[in-house]
Amino acid sequence: NAGVTQTPKFQVLKTGQSMTLQCAQDMNHNSMYWYRQDPGMGLRLIYYSASEGTTDKGEVPNGYNVSRLNKREFSLRLESAAPSQTSVYFCASSRPGNEQFFGPGTRLTVL
Amino acid sequence: GQQVMQIPQYQHVQEGEDFTTYCNSSTTLSNIQWYKQRPGGHPVFLIQLVKSGEVKKQKRLTFQFGEAKKNSSLHITATQTTDVGTYFCAGPGGSQGNLIFGKGTKLSVKP
Repeated sequence: NAGVTQTPKFQVLKTGQSMTLQCAQDMNHNSMYWYRQDPGMGLRLIYYSASEGTTDKGEVPNGYNVSRLNKREFSLRLESAAPSQTSVYFCASSRPGNEQFFGPGTRLTVL
Repeated sequence: GQQVMQIPQYQHVQEGEDFTTYCNSSTTLSNIQWYKQRPGGHPVFLIQLVKSGEVKKQKRLTFQFGEAKKNSSLHITATQTTDVGTYFCAGPGGSQGNLIFGKGTKLSVKP
């Protein structure tokens, strides 16, 4: 089992460009999450999906959109990237209320 | 809104010294989880505490959940260089199974 996979691992964007971060899990988890991690700020929830077909905003959703494509895949889209979105992005999955399994992360720089 | 606060933000210890990080919630928690993130890595689940006053041990790591279920601690006895990383606590953030993470305690160990 691969667990949680994320692509790409690294990305550099120019301000205003768009991109989609991909996440997939093979653990048959209902719940999936997107976090961003900035120095000294811990992990902040951007969006989550409690089950296929549902998505909800987390703490910092502005500037992002998500799609729960199916049970396995949960993507995060930046429509018009801004320097403030420079961060490390982690996808995670879990059974509701249980431990979360994290992907390796995407390191995004917006110039 | 619910907050999970963690102290200290940084801790530098000599190898062999003990280390403790503390986690406090603004509300009573049904459970608390602890994660470790190695430098350049992703968060990895360590443990979940559920019962009031619960104490669990994993080798040199001791986890406690307060009687009022509003605070928790992680204590490492005789730190080793392999303990280096950031330790996060996390409490339930809502009914959908998402978590609220503390900002973490970054541990460095000097050999």
